[in-house]
Amino acid sequence: NAGVMQNPRHLVRRRGQEARLRCSPMKGHSHVYWYRQLPEEGLKFMVYLQKENIIDESGMPKERFSAEFPKEGPSILRIQQVVRGDSAAYFCASSPQSGGVYNEQFFGPGTRLTVL
Amino acid sequence: GESVGLHLPTLSVQEGDNSIINCAYSNSASDYFIWYKQESGKGPQFIIDIRSNMDKRQGQRVTVLLNKTVKHLSLQIAATQPGDSAVYFCAEKLDNFNKFYFGSGTKLNVKP
Repeated sequence: NAGVMQNPRHLVRRRGQEARLRCSPMKGHSHVYWYRQLPEEGLKFMVYLQKENIIDESGMPKERFSAEFPKEGPSILRIQQVVRGDSAAYFCASSPQSGGVYNEQFFGPGTRLTVL
Repeated sequence: GESVGLHLPTLSVQEGDNSIINCAYSNSASDYFIWYKQESGKGPQFIIDIRSNMDKRQGQRVTVLLNKTVKHLSLQIAATQPGDSAVYFCAEKLDNFNKFYFGSGTKLNVKP
């Protein structure tokens, strides 16, 4: 059973370009979470999605950032007009639909975004 | 904002010794906690979890203790090995929410 998959693992963009980060949750998982991690810091929650729904985007900047989790295909985190401050590791996690309150989240290997 | 914090940013231990990593949280409504291990260049890896109705939980070589009175969480690693060297994060989940708040992490260095 494959774990959470993210691609690309490394992404380099110039200021002003767009970055697209993809996440495929574990098989059977319908909840996806995106986190951002700066060097030497903890993970900061960005957004929580279920299939075709954004449940909680309270941690995501209002401008330039968007996320989706379509009925088919991976979840996408999109950053438009990237700036150097967007350079970070972006992690995706998934959890199963069942589990009630106690939903362990399984993390992917992350995408390391570097903005030149 | 996040309410999780750690007392020690870096911990160095000798191979074979026991390690204790601490974490403080401020939200008394948090009902579920997870310890994650993150090796360089990798995503966080689940180690052990504990619910708020428990005060202790044991796994293989690891024990998590929860003290709700002082809102403190600790991770104990027995007979620490070089492969335990990593950054350890505690994460708390608020009741009825599905996002976790992570602490800033403690780096564990295991000296051979």
